[in-house]
Amino acid sequence: KQEVTQIPAALSVPEGENLVLNCSFTDSAIYNLQWFRQDPGKGLTSLLLIQSSQREQTSGRLNASLDKSSGRSTLYIAASQPGDSATYLCAVSPNYGQNFVFGPGTRLSVLP
Amino acid sequence: NAGVTQTPKFQVLKTGQSMTLQCAQDMNHNSMYWYRQDPGMGLRLIYYSASEGTTDKGEVPNGYNVSRLNKREFSLRLESAAPSQTSVYFCASDSDNSPYEQYFGPGTRLTVT
Repeated sequence: KQEVTQIPAALSVPEGENLVLNCSFTDSAIYNLQWFRQDPGKGLTSLLLIQSSQREQTSGRLNASLDKSSGRSTLYIAASQPGDSATYLCAVSPNYGQNFVFGPGTRLSVLP
Repeated sequence: NAGVTQTPKFQVLKTGQSMTLQCAQDMNHNSMYWYRQDPGMGLRLIYYSASEGTTDKGEVPNGYNVSRLNKREFSLRLESAAPSQTSVYFCASDSDNSPYEQYFGPGTRLTVT
């Protein structure tokens, strides 16, 4: 059974810092990995999706990498801003591309 | 496009009551999902529907039923609500072609007393 973990559970940084969020999964047979952002009391917003054949994806200040063989992904946020404060979740889907399994999330606070 | 919409946003039920959570998407997606989110446990899949007329159980289906009414709509029914079903419920859909990116609704916050 696929299990996804995220470290750290919570992170507090001053504005302007670069930071890395980690995601690990137990079964490397994945189709893709997706990073989401969730603001308090809101739904999930997709940030980046990496297919299993890709190593990384970039969008603005965000960069996500994938090492399928070791079961790891990282989300790098450059020059963090208070508006980045949210919970970040990663999710993986199995080989047939459905039924995402989610990690518990990392709660990020960026202090002004 | 509205994306994925859910109703209601909030609901309080007494133990034993029934209710249906509604979900609709306007992206012409075949696949739709129901998840629940509980503190410290992440999102867990309740049921999914790969296409109109088909539904399958996910990780935590007990106590729930679903209906894929048509391609747009996927409803979740609680026949006899229990306090353990207090949670936030999310509906999602994904694109029918690779890379199967998932899109989420805003959620329904349900409390069962």
